[in-house]
Amino acid sequence: DTEVTQTPKHLVMGMTNKKSLKCEQHMGHRAMYWYKQKAKKPPELMFVYSYEKLSINESVPSRFSPECPNSSLLNLHLHALQPEDSALYLCASSHGTLPNEQFFGPGTRLTVL
Amino acid sequence: AQSVSQHNHHVILSEAASLELGCNYSYGGTVNLFWYVQYPGQHLQLLLKYFSGDPLVKGIKGFEAEFIKSKFSFNLRKPSVQWSDTAEYFCAVTAYNTDKLIFGTGTRLQVFP
Repeated sequence: DTEVTQTPKHLVMGMTNKKSLKCEQHMGHRAMYWYKQKAKKPPELMFVYSYEKLSINESVPSRFSPECPNSSLLNLHLHALQPEDSALYLCASSHGTLPNEQFFGPGTRLTVL
Repeated sequence: AQSVSQHNHHVILSEAASLELGCNYSYGGTVNLFWYVQYPGQHLQLLLKYFSGDPLVKGIKGFEAEFIKSKFSFNLRKPSVQWSDTAEYFCAVTAYNTDKLIFGTGTRLQVFP
């Protein structure tokens, strides 16, 4: 299995809602990542988990809360988002030993109303 | 801070034309270099990567890239493009021994039959 899967594919939420994005990989990778991609822009790194510990937080607002329950799963909990948070949220994974290449999932397209 | 620049924002070619997309990075130390492609409606896929060794790297689908250290460049080339190469192309860099992938702004390639 060489895939990174993400659910849901699309999500529409209000500013007072709480929702979660899920990412899963079964490649035995030990590093997982969250990126945000706005339309016609490159992906921007949000968080990195390495061996299930948060290793990089790119000064992301606290309304985004990552969680890595185990080495195969990565969640992004969303609360009190703003309309400007609407974007494609990408998950990626890598084997965790540097240098490495990252494998990307298809993304969750989030719309905040 | 590291940055990656892609000079061509939008390239339009006819099938069978040759392609060269520019990528320059700013970082004084050792780097790892990547080209990713995002086909319409699909997720980011790795085209090729450079970690060390031969600076001329061959990737999938007939693409290649050349790392020129003195010019801080990693240009992508393909001798003869196809309509199916229509996509967004991203150059990306990690500094040696880090996990932080920095993307360029992307180049949109349109190939007409």
